[in-house]
Amino acid sequence: SQTIHQWPATLVQPVGSPLSLECTVEGTSNPNLYWYRQAAGRGLQLLFYSVGIGQISSEVPQNLSASRPQDRQFILSSKKLLLSDSGFYLCAWSVNRFTEAFFGQGTRLTVV
Amino acid sequence: AQSVTQLDSQVPVFEEAPVELRCNYSSSVSVYLFWYVQYPNQGLQLLLKYLSGSTLVKSINGFEAEFNKSQTSFHLRKPSVHISDTAEYFCAVNNNAGNMLTFGGGTRLMVKP
Repeated sequence: SQTIHQWPATLVQPVGSPLSLECTVEGTSNPNLYWYRQAAGRGLQLLFYSVGIGQISSEVPQNLSASRPQDRQFILSSKKLLLSDSGFYLCAWSVNRFTEAFFGQGTRLTVV
Repeated sequence: AQSVTQLDSQVPVFEEAPVELRCNYSSSVSVYLFWYVQYPNQGLQLLLKYLSGSTLVKSINGFEAEFNKSQTSFHLRKPSVHISDTAEYFCAVNNNAGNMLTFGGGTRLMVKP
């Protein structure tokens, strides 16, 4: 069966520090991968998606970037965090862009 | 473009009462519809989905949703809720044009004893 791992679960970082969140998927090949952000009391905002190694699409302009160095690894990064980057970050995967997505447990990021 | 509207941001209900969480979508092509549940500080879990066939779909824990094409709706219902159903529920839509999965703003279901 397929599983998705996302870490860390919580993170407190100072403004201006770098960020690296990692997500890996097991049990499937060539998945579509996604990074979502969920601000407090709000819905999900798609940040990035990837259909293959090195292929990244950004949905919104922002202070973040994403990379996919391996087939089942998806990384969310920032060189300098802003207070507005605080939120709950969710990684997800799907078989293709038509079907449902399966989510990791999320990372609660607080920028102080 | 496609969009999803969840009209109620919060739904308070007493335990063992019935509940309906509303979801309306807009899309110019055939749709696939999903309901997800999110417990505090956790990721989203797929609750049920409609891809094709029977318009009434059911989950293993008593929830059901009905695809209504004429009303462009996919409301989630449960005849008798439990305290453990307290969570955030998200409706989502995708379509056969390959647009990205689009989520509604979520509905917080609060079950009171």
